[in-house]
Amino acid sequence: EPEVTQTPSHQVTQMGQEVILRCVPISNHLYFYWYRQILGQKVEFLVSFYNNEISEKSEIFDDQFSVERPDGSNFTLKIRSTKLEDSAMYFCASSEGGAGYGYTFGSGTRLTVV
Amino acid sequence: GQQVMQIPQYQHVQEGEDFTTYCNSSTTLSNIQWYKQRPGGHPVFLIQLVKSGEVKKQKRLTFQFGEAKKNSSLHITATQTTDVGTYFCAGPVGAGGTSYGKLTFGQGTILTVHP
Repeated sequence: EPEVTQTPSHQVTQMGQEVILRCVPISNHLYFYWYRQILGQKVEFLVSFYNNEISEKSEIFDDQFSVERPDGSNFTLKIRSTKLEDSAMYFCASSEGGAGYGYTFGSGTRLTVV
Repeated sequence: GQQVMQIPQYQHVQEGEDFTTYCNSSTTLSNIQWYKQRPGGHPVFLIQLVKSGEVKKQKRLTFQFGEAKKNSSLHITATQTTDVGTYFCAGPVGAGGTSYGKLTFGQGTILTVHP
């Protein structure tokens, strides 16, 4: 069964450093997402990406965050200057056709900001 | 903004007992989806409901979509230890109402099954 692949599985970074989280969505999917989940809490939407541009973003997704699909397969989330409160599990997901289709999630990157 | 509310937050059951989680939206949903997240895992898509009053079954799991398409439920009959995890509902809602590009997740119901 096709999978969404995320790397790294765990990233520890110092406050103020930049991090890049990487994802390889399912190849025939058209919509890509980043969600985050702070330990034991709900799955929070960050950003959706379609047709090489951001289609929606949440209040969390401020100027410190950016996304790219640099080469047609990878989908990256960059946090420019990490804060302690950015510590969370970050999930990438993809779907065939937006919110009318089931999402396939990757196994996540646990980001720890110290 | 628009939200998807889910209750209860926690449910502890003995193996063999039934379990139900409920999901409510303030806005009519074009569809409702359910996901399961095992402890330490990632959300896994279970099912999508689209039609008003729709009922779907997957073995011991029964999913319902309300007539007004604003609420949904997931019922598990005779729970097993393999059912442990967090069950999320998710709907296409955003700050301005229906969203076509993203799902908003409920808070989830954490199910614990005691053997």
